[in-house]
Amino acid sequence: GAVVSQHPSRVICKSGTSVKIECRSLDFQATTMFWYRQFPKQSLMLMATSNEGSKATYEQGVEKDKFLINHASLTLSTLTVTSAHPEDSSFYICSARSGTRYSETQYFGPGTRLLVL
Amino acid sequence: AQKVTQAQTEISVVEKEDVTLDCVYETRDTTYYLFWYKQPPSGELVFLIRRNSFDEQNEISGRYSWNFQKSTSSFNFTITASQVVDSAVYFCALSEGAGGTSYGKLTFGQGTILTVHP
Repeated sequence: GAVVSQHPSRVICKSGTSVKIECRSLDFQATTMFWYRQFPKQSLMLMATSNEGSKATYEQGVEKDKFLINHASLTLSTLTVTSAHPEDSSFYICSARSGTRYSETQYFGPGTRLLVL
Repeated sequence: AQKVTQAQTEISVVEKEDVTLDCVYETRDTTYYLFWYKQPPSGELVFLIRRNSFDEQNEISGRYSWNFQKSTSSFNFTITASQVVDSAVYFCALSEGAGGTSYGKLTFGQGTILTVHP
């Protein structure tokens, strides 16, 4: 099956620093990737859609200057949390879309736990 | 707008019991896709099944089975003879079909925490 990796799996940083999270599709090309955020014991909330070669599309209420997304290649999307603050602490998960039009499925990375002190 | 409801917040069963996780969805689209994902304590979401709106056939995969009822907008998931390793959070999700403005985006239910006791 399709494999998606994320790096790092866990990061602790000081308030005010920026953190970059990488999402890679390992055995398939993904023109579209998605970034989600999940708080403890809650569901996944879509933050943005990352499109290869174009600007990301952000969901309502998500600050695009705060969460920078770059989809530089067909296998890599990055999420940078700029000037991180404690309220940005969360579990960030990416997914990549694979398959043909009527069989597309999103495969998820293992997630990145961010703790901002 | 799309909506997925998983009314069962938590379910607790004893090993070997059968358990059904409910999922009810709302959408105005005529073409849509339904999914189930498993999230074990490690956090990674594991894909379990995808069902297209135009395919109402139920599916069985080992101990897992899915009942898609378009008439009631439900896509329920049954685990037969549950095992401790089935303990996880299970999410039902809905995606709009091609051509829609939200194509490809997943709308998740709130998740059901399943605990299987030995």
